[in-house]
Amino acid sequence: GAGVSQSPSNKVTEKGKDVELRCDPISGHTALYWYRQSLGQGLEFLIYFQGNSAPDKSGLPSDRFSAERTGGSVSTLTIQRTQQEDSAVYLCASSLGQGFGANVLTFGAGSRLTVL
Amino acid sequence: AQSVTQLDSQVPVFEEAPVELRCNYSSSVSVYLFWYVQYPNQGLQLLLKYLSGSTLVESINGFEAEFNKSQTSFHLRKPSVHISDTAEYFCAVRDNNAGNMLTFGGGTRLMVKP
Repeated sequence: GAGVSQSPSNKVTEKGKDVELRCDPISGHTALYWYRQSLGQGLEFLIYFQGNSAPDKSGLPSDRFSAERTGGSVSTLTIQRTQQEDSAVYLCASSLGQGFGANVLTFGAGSRLTVL
Repeated sequence: AQSVTQLDSQVPVFEEAPVELRCNYSSSVSVYLFWYVQYPNQGLQLLLKYLSGSTLVESINGFEAEFNKSQTSFHLRKPSVHISDTAEYFCAVRDNNAGNMLTFGGGTRLMVKP
């Protein structure tokens, strides 16, 4: 697509429920990132996918968080047993996999998650 | 691990005044540096970047940033701001010795007043 598409744009859930957030990157971008932006905070790195390589999961805050990327394109971030501290805007970004273009991330509009 | 510090969480300034948004990062031999901007109710957009070459880089809307290796800084400046520059600005660093992760600062909210 023309840009990075994320859905849902807003999600309100109850504590303890599972949520799935979806990211559709720019066509041809082999690198995909998930970040979390909490109120008044900067962007916190969660996970990075590059082609068929094993993902860099070093930023995932707990084992309740997981992410998949199917067919090297669409990615799903899953949060199990949500907690109130999970409330944030979850941002997805994609980029080319190599060369200087690998350094230019295009961000989606984000998915705002509110856990009641 | 790489860390990025934006000392000012908010910067209020009057229209047409100059502004500097500060960014410092932890030391590294090889880094790429970025400023991203988030306008109200929009996603993050790349404003400018330093990858190599001239240490002074410019954006199309009048912002500039200078890579200062000795001070590990990449401050963002504009000589005369407009109301439309009101946004949140994020400094980001990629440490080329530490994988592909882009580390972001906490952001600076620039508020331009008429």
